[in-house]
Amino acid sequence: GAGVSQSPSNKVTEKGKDVELRCDPISGHTALYWYRQSLGQGLEFLIYFQGNSAPDKSGLPSDRFSAERTGGSVSTLTIQRTQQEDSAVYLCASSLKPDHEQYFGPGTRLTVT
Amino acid sequence: AQSVTQLDSHVSVSEGTPVLLRCNYSSSYSPSLFWYVQHPNKGLQLLLKYTSAATLVKGINGFEAEFKKSETSFHLTKPSAHMSDAAEYFCVVSEYGGSQGNLIFGKGTKLSVKP
Repeated sequence: GAGVSQSPSNKVTEKGKDVELRCDPISGHTALYWYRQSLGQGLEFLIYFQGNSAPDKSGLPSDRFSAERTGGSVSTLTIQRTQQEDSAVYLCASSLKPDHEQYFGPGTRLTVT
Repeated sequence: AQSVTQLDSHVSVSEGTPVLLRCNYSSSYSPSLFWYVQHPNKGLQLLLKYTSAATLVKGINGFEAEFKKSETSFHLTKPSAHMSDAAEYFCVVSEYGGSQGNLIFGKGTKLSVKP
């Protein structure tokens, strides 16, 4: 079946612009996770959804970052007023339930110029 | 707080020789530990996981890892490297112990395999 998909695969934006990154989890997966992979920080957890609720937002680096999930499916990660340090690969993962294996998407490479 | 330390940022081996990727963890709970692999331009894939059953865990592609509580280690091994094993490997601990929950990743070890 289809895996986790993310769009766009690559995004180049100017500093100060807003961007939206999309994640389509595996159908039926209730848990959804966002991570960020950057050269300086490695792979970091950002936010976790169970259904449409986000019980853990502890990893969001600043209030410029927000995320939502609708219909228990698609999730959007929004970064407002992008900064150069936001440049990274943003990874999405989903799992059937929170304590099940996470399946990762291919990521969105964000470059802020 | 949970954390993992991957002791080598880069490991280079010759094809057909053993692979050892080292990982030490810190955990307040009985930890759940994982190894993930990331091939260039591909997504992360779970290699194997330890969740307090057998201490020697077998994964895909001939990899295995041994949980050693006394040494707080979870090293990844493979008897004979293949060219296709060249990738980046991440040692991971679950933030909530018994469940996968939010994953905390090590910095990664890049494995090179020479012909």
